Amino acid sequence: GAVVSQHPSRVICKSGTSVKIECRSLDFQATTMFWYRQFPKQSLMLMATSNEGSKATYEQGVEKDKFLINHASLTLSTLTVTSAHPEDSSFYICSAREPGLTYNEQFFGPGTRLTVL
Amino acid sequence: GENVEQHPSTLSVQEGDSAVIKCTYSDSASNYFPWYKQELGKRPQLIIDIRSNVGEKKDQRIAVTLNKTAKHFSLHITETQPEDSAVYFCAASTANTGNQFYFGTGTSLTVIP
Repeated sequence: GAVVSQHPSRVICKSGTSVKIECRSLDFQATTMFWYRQFPKQSLMLMATSNEGSKATYEQGVEKDKFLINHASLTLSTLTVTSAHPEDSSFYICSAREPGLTYNEQFFGPGTRLTVL
Repeated sequence: GENVEQHPSTLSVQEGDSAVIKCTYSDSASNYFPWYKQELGKRPQLIIDIRSNVGEKKDQRIAVTLNKTAKHFSLHITETQPEDSAVYFCAASTANTGNQFYFGTGTSLTVIP
């Protein structure tokens, strides 16, 4: 299957700082990427849909000014957690769809563990 | 939006026995239903999927069934092995509205040797 990478894998930051997470499709061009958040022992919650060249679509209840998404190229989407607080500590996972597939499979990145002190 | 429910939340089986996990969804327009296995701290791994034009799909020890009328689908694992122990998530997706995945709450499966 297609390969999706994320960077960094782990990040620890102080409360009030901003953190940027990168999601890259390594061997295909992804017009659409998705960002999920997963709290311990919970499910993956879709945060937003990242569309190349246009604004992201956020799920209800997700603050777009706090979670900034940029999809500047067909292989890179970034999620910036602005003014992070301890409650933002979570496992953030991205996924990407390969255009042209007849079904809807998504390929997941390895995730980024964010800890806000 | 789509609401996916998953049961049970935890499941323990003896090695060699079968395990069944069930999910229901709310949006009748959903047309793609993947199942993922996730080990602690790792990315979800697709284990099997089914499209709405199919009622059942099997891949070795793993099978998925779909009942569109009742809006539920199930994962069946036969001859379970200790390495099957993990958290399993179902998801529902609709191509018409952007292919977003909405995940169930997860089932922690433990296979006892």
